[in-house]
Amino acid sequence: DGGITQSPKYLFRKEGQNVTLSCEQNLNHDAMYWYRQDPGQGLRLIYYSQIVNDFQKGDIAEGYSVSREKKESFPLTVTSAQKNPTAFYLCASGTPTNQPQHFGDGTRLSIL
Amino acid sequence: AQSVTQLDSQVPVFEEAPVELRCNYSSSVSVYLFWYVQYPNQGLQLLLKYLSGSTLVKSINGFEAEFNKSQTSFHLRKPSVHISDTAEYFCAVKDGGFKTIFGAGTRLFVKA
Repeated sequence: DGGITQSPKYLFRKEGQNVTLSCEQNLNHDAMYWYRQDPGQGLRLIYYSQIVNDFQKGDIAEGYSVSREKKESFPLTVTSAQKNPTAFYLCASGTPTNQPQHFGDGTRLSIL
Repeated sequence: AQSVTQLDSQVPVFEEAPVELRCNYSSSVSVYLFWYVQYPNQGLQLLLKYLSGSTLVKSINGFEAEFNKSQTSFHLRKPSVHISDTAEYFCAVKDGGFKTIFGAGTRLFVKA
């Protein structure tokens, strides 16, 4: 079945450490997205990529970095510069049409 | 810029009662509208979508939403809710480009 796979499901970060969240899709979508979700705050866009080797900052990009070397993959790195990284992270993919975005099952990041 | 307003952050309702989750959007162009559902620790799942044609759209589990262009609304309704409908619901709008704008979410809590 086509879909989006996020791993790991749960991740713990130590102070001063960078961690990378994986997102892979087999839907052949050109665009991929990373959102952060905090309790009661809905979804906030971190980064998005419309095409391989290109990406744009979203509303809360500070402290995060991404790469898009393959169409299927869009990993997110939470750097030590992100002072409040505890949140639920959602990856999505889509197309520049009238069709909706598809979402992965999320990664919950916590601080040790 | 597009925006989506979900008028209620939480909606408590008794089992088998009707429910309406309200959504208003602002846009000066043609839009495509979506409702997503999110269960705890999971990603967003598409519940239903309005792309064109009939303004009343329905999901397989009894939800329906009506696109009202004059009131710029896309309210979600269900005539009789079940305990299993307890979840967070997100309204979203897209104009055919790469970005989707999400509302802040409405937490539906169904009580026995």
